[in-house]
Amino acid sequence: DAGITQSPRYKITETGRQVTLMCHQTWSHSYMFWYRQDLGHGLRLIYYSAAADITDKGEVPDGYVVSRSKTENFPLTLESATRSQTSVYFCASRGGVGEQFFGPGTRLTVL
Amino acid sequence: GQQLNQSPQSMFIQEGEDVSMNCTSSSIFNTWLWYKQDPGEGPVLLIALYKAGELTSNGRLTAQFGITRKDSFLNISASIPSDVGIYFCAGQLAGGTSYGKLTFGQGTILTVHP
Repeated sequence: DAGITQSPRYKITETGRQVTLMCHQTWSHSYMFWYRQDLGHGLRLIYYSAAADITDKGEVPDGYVVSRSKTENFPLTLESATRSQTSVYFCASRGGVGEQFFGPGTRLTVL
Repeated sequence: GQQLNQSPQSMFIQEGEDVSMNCTSSSIFNTWLWYKQDPGEGPVLLIALYKAGELTSNGRLTAQFGITRKDSFLNISASIPSDVGIYFCAGQLAGGTSYGKLTFGQGTILTVHP
């Protein structure tokens, strides 16, 4: 399917476990982004990537790792999940004139 | 970090009424975007604005890029129940190396009573 997809849509894990959230886009957009959305904080940027193998920190990067070996994929890894990382995570990619298109989100619960 | 001041935070209106919301900042932006988010879904782009003074419509939605480049507004005319959701403004800062990063407003929660 064309567009941007995320998997899984829902995930429950335990404190201390490693979790990877997947993001895939079919537009060949260069820029991709990871956000978390929490009540009272809106959308906050975790990491972004300008191209394959080029990534940089956003506003709230601690506890997260990203990689981008292929243009179409941008996985986000929580190396050792904490309860404070319970959130809804959105991946986005950027079109040619600045607009960002969002995936459907992953709702993550850390017990 | 940089924030956009979006108002109002919430609105409760009757079906058929018009709606207006806005975003302001002390910084200059070169792009303004308006998104709608339905429960359990990701934000969906409604309107994109790229030039100061630009006025753009998408059906019953109209948005404008402020002349000062520090604000934007969104109007919804003749609201219907499916307009319910959270509306976000987002802007890309002018100048520098923003790498396409957006600054988001906190959102306006819209409730429409039939």
